[in-house]
Amino acid sequence: GAGVSQSPRYKVTKRGQDVALRCDPISGHVSLYWYRQALGQGPEFLTYFNYEAQQDKSGLPNDRFSAERPEGSISTLTIQRTEQRDSAMYRCASSFFRDLSGEQFFGPGTRLTVL
Amino acid sequence: EDKVVQSPLSLVVHEGDTVTLNCSYEVTNFRSLLWYKQEKKAPTFLFMLTSSGIEKKSGRLSSILDKKELFSILNITATQTGDSAVYLCAAGGGANSKLTFGKGITLSVRP
Repeated sequence: GAGVSQSPRYKVTKRGQDVALRCDPISGHVSLYWYRQALGQGPEFLTYFNYEAQQDKSGLPNDRFSAERPEGSISTLTIQRTEQRDSAMYRCASSFFRDLSGEQFFGPGTRLTVL
Repeated sequence: EDKVVQSPLSLVVHEGDTVTLNCSYEVTNFRSLLWYKQEKKAPTFLFMLTSSGIEKKSGRLSSILDKKELFSILNITATQTGDSAVYLCAAGGGANSKLTFGKGITLSVRP
């Protein structure tokens, strides 16, 4: 497809389980960003990559959260030992340009529910 | 800490009205301000502003940035019901170029 895709679109898991959320950016896009969006709030920055290099992970809430983009294209956000407070919409965005030189295009998000 | 504040938080207007949505920001090493429209799916890009005083237009929507007073406005003229959405403002800056989003403004346009 032409846009950013994310999978799964919905994920329900039990507390304590690990989850992996996938992002397929627009082909050729250099930068890839992960956000978390709570209901009624704007997206909150988690981490971002230029190509395969993770540039900033200061927004990751704690060490249960990690992300990778090994070949500079698809990225995976992993949450270990999920907790109920992790429930949110997780959004991915990509940009043709590095470092805020151009607009970011968002994917449809993964709605994570931790029971 | 970087901060983006949008106002009002919500707005109800009638078709044909003109609306102005406000966004103020405090961001270290500011580089750009972006506006997005979010309906039920992903935010869709509207404008990116980097220079003060230069209006960007797209149809009935326009936006301008004031880097001295640290704010931006998004104007929508002759509103239509299809303009109903949450409008997000985001400011980009800092050493590692992250976007800080506001909470969004919920616009409802009544027929």
